[in-house]
Amino acid sequence: AQKITQTQPGMFVQEKEAVTLDCTYDTSDQSYGLFWYKQPSSGEMIFLIYQGSYDEQNATEGRYSLNFQKARKSANLVISASQLGDSAMYFCAMREYAGTASKLTFGTGTRLQVTL
Amino acid sequence: EPEVTQTPSHQVTQMGQEVILRCVPISNHLYFYWYRQILGQKVEFLVSFYNNEISEKSEIFDDQFSVERPDGSNFTLKIRSTKLEDSAMYFCASSVTGWENEQFFGPGTRLTVL
Repeated sequence: AQKITQTQPGMFVQEKEAVTLDCTYDTSDQSYGLFWYKQPSSGEMIFLIYQGSYDEQNATEGRYSLNFQKARKSANLVISASQLGDSAMYFCAMREYAGTASKLTFGTGTRLQVTL
Repeated sequence: EPEVTQTPSHQVTQMGQEVILRCVPISNHLYFYWYRQILGQKVEFLVSFYNNEISEKSEIFDDQFSVERPDGSNFTLKIRSTKLEDSAMYFCASSVTGWENEQFFGPGTRLTVL
């Protein structure tokens, strides 16, 4: 089974609108972290937001918020007031506690296109 | 703001040649990682490194791959005998802690094997 599932290969959103990018995860661990990264066409990986499995509040970072539903094992990224510069690939990732140096496991990504 | 750096940005090599990809992690970070991304695909974990030894490696990280931290700043990935399927973007990442915090990624090295 896939550890991270992103079911939307591509999404379109109009400038200034909000958009939700879906992510579901699969783990039997109690301790884990969920991350979203942005990859623009230039290729770098930019960290956006983090949610720990024990965090009761949804994480927010500026225009980004993470809609964390633990029972459903979902960690959707919400981008408010979309901008043209938000057009990029977005990856959801999970880090399970593994003692030391826990790796990130990534989903297949969602390509977001912001239109005028 | 501190950042992870990687050199070179693009490397072209012939099949069978050795390549060394270099990374300088953020200075106070203790945990280091290599990932790769084949064009158009997801990012895949290769290896993690802590306290001067490998913590975990994936199935991709076979005997052709090795990592080293030769001094206090550099972290290198060596591919001994490159294959066509090694063509990918290779990302180095580092983090302060082993699992709670985000990993900061370098800009990547695009490796092309001909």
